[in-house]
Amino acid sequence: SQKIEQNSEALNIQEGKTATLTCNYTNYSPAYLQWYRQDPGRGPVFLLLIRENEKEKRKERLKVTFDTTLKQSLFHITASQPADSATYLCALENSGAGSYQLTFGKGTKLSVIP
Amino acid sequence: DTGVSQDPRHKITKRGQNVTFRCDPISEHNRLYWYRQTLGQGPEFLTYFQNEAQLEKSRLLSDRFSAERPKGSFSTLEIQRTEQGDSAMYLCASRPIGQETQYFGPGTRLLVL
Repeated sequence: SQKIEQNSEALNIQEGKTATLTCNYTNYSPAYLQWYRQDPGRGPVFLLLIRENEKEKRKERLKVTFDTTLKQSLFHITASQPADSATYLCALENSGAGSYQLTFGKGTKLSVIP
Repeated sequence: DTGVSQDPRHKITKRGQNVTFRCDPISEHNRLYWYRQTLGQGPEFLTYFQNEAQLEKSRLLSDRFSAERPKGSFSTLEIQRTEQGDSAMYLCASRPIGQETQYFGPGTRLLVL
């Protein structure tokens, strides 16, 4: 069966450091992978999408890598700030579903300590 | 604010009661999704509309759940005879044709006592 695993439930880092979050998947052949941010009591907010033919994508302090051989995506936040504290979700489109529904990992709760 | 709104934001009900949630997507988005999220989990897909047609339903969606999207605009999700296991955050998302990104609303948090 298809699985998405975010191997850290929680990650604490010092302000100014780089946070690295991991997303692994099995039994998918995704054309792209997405990362979302979710604050407590709110809906997810889209951050970045990376396609299978892209190794790396950047947006301001965010960087995503995508290794389809390892079946893994890494999400980096450089120069982290307390405002970056949130849960980060990776998501893949459910293969074969005409609805293009997303399947999410459980998320990693990031806490940036001042 | 993504432009997707949901109402109500919070709902407390007693077991056995019926509840209805509303989602107003971004107006030009013809695709609409409902997801359910419980504590410590990612959102799980419930159902999908393209315009007014409900094209896909998850096995999670029991017979007590029904969703509509009349005229392809807003959508409603009704849960009949609520159970304590229905307690969760119910999220709506919309998506335009040609884009992969889904835009989520703030969610409706349901507590069944």
